[in-house]
Amino acid sequence: KAGVTQTPRYLIKTRGQQVTLSCSPISGHRSVSWYQQTPGQGLQFLFEYFSETQRNKGNFPGRFSGRQFSNSRSEMNVSTLELGDSALYLCASSLGLSYNSPLHFGNGTRLTVT
Amino acid sequence: KNEVEQSPQNLTAQEGEFITINCSYSVGISALHWLQQHPGGGIVSLFMLSSGKKKHGRLIATINIQEKHSSLHITASHPRDSAVYICAVSPISSGSARQLTFGSGTQLTVLP
Repeated sequence: KAGVTQTPRYLIKTRGQQVTLSCSPISGHRSVSWYQQTPGQGLQFLFEYFSETQRNKGNFPGRFSGRQFSNSRSEMNVSTLELGDSALYLCASSLGLSYNSPLHFGNGTRLTVT
Repeated sequence: KNEVEQSPQNLTAQEGEFITINCSYSVGISALHWLQQHPGGGIVSLFMLSSGKKKHGRLIATINIQEKHSSLHITASHPRDSAVYICAVSPISSGSARQLTFGSGTQLTVLP
């Protein structure tokens, strides 16, 4: 069974541009969550999606948005990029929403904003 | 004060040593996760705990809900255990199993 796939693995963008990152969950998984990891703030929760609905969003500005498609694949978008958005963006999938449903992480997309 | 505190921040051990990483948290939780992150960034979920103790191979995780404390133990450590170990909790207040609050991680280096 294929794991969680994130594309692209690396991305370099310029301030002011926008970027879209993709996450394909493990087949059959309906829950996708996104996290940002920076040297200064560590890991922080971004969003959670289940059955195409955003269930929760972390403390991030409106420039950060996302969506989930009917096949459970998810995308996140960051508009008007700032230098501080440089980070490793990780997604994780799980079968359902239960606390007993294990999380499976992808290898992340490393975004550099110059 | 962070809601999730890990100690130590850095740990160097000799191969074969018994290792303990500690995690304390200050909020009510539904579950606690121990995660492993290797250079390159990918994260592996090692354990998810809501009570008691779990064991997988040479790894053991325990949690004391009353004391708001968890430990990750590695027996007979090996250089391939070198990684960052991260504690994360699902706060009850978030209403979500995925809205995790993370510790800052423990960098473990095991020397041959």
